[in-house]
Amino acid sequence: KNEVEQSPQNLTAQEGEFITINCSYSVGISALHWLQQHPGGGIVSLFMLSSGKKKHGRLIATINIQEKHSSLHITASHPRDSAVYICAAQNTGNQFYFGTGTSLTVIP
Amino acid sequence: DGGITQSPKYLFRKEGQNVTLSCEQNLNHDAMYWYRQDPGQGLRLIYYSQIVNDFQKGDIAEGYSVSREKKESFPLTVTSAQKNPTAFYLCASNRGRAQETQYFGPGTRLLVL
Repeated sequence: KNEVEQSPQNLTAQEGEFITINCSYSVGISALHWLQQHPGGGIVSLFMLSSGKKKHGRLIATINIQEKHSSLHITASHPRDSAVYICAAQNTGNQFYFGTGTSLTVIP
Repeated sequence: DGGITQSPKYLFRKEGQNVTLSCEQNLNHDAMYWYRQDPGQGLRLIYYSQIVNDFQKGDIAEGYSVSREKKESFPLTVTSAQKNPTAFYLCASNRGRAQETQYFGPGTRLLVL
């Protein structure tokens, strides 16, 4: 069993739709990260969470520590949001456990 | 500009050949990491280093070697013992503390001829 599970694996949405990607983890964490990987392969960090909720533009990330679950929401999705979104759990020893990613395609 | 660079972008390996992937950072980070990414799988840790002249094996270290002679540099050698080296390799770094983001390089795609 993987330490981090994401769903769905693939997601296709129409431009403007509200999108939710889910992440469940089984390890004790110091932080939960959401990453974005573009088609060229580069990875950028979107959010780092240890509790509650964070918002950046049209992106919102939430975490429920008791349930070991996090969600990434994209409001008013746009074709430029098309990418792979990766959830990663960071333990107190600074080790990272990565989900397999959610491939998002937003159609104009 | 501060960041992490990896070279080359694409690398071809012949059977029985060792190849070295470069990773350099100018972020003054203590910790550096090498990950392997295969289709349908999450990033898997090959090696990591928390400080110069010290490194530890990750989950899939067999067939790989590293060195950390300088703070800025963490090269990865894919040896001939690695029987399935075709993958996308990502280098990352951070200050090595809890609750801290990792910064990733652009990656190197290794293909076996």
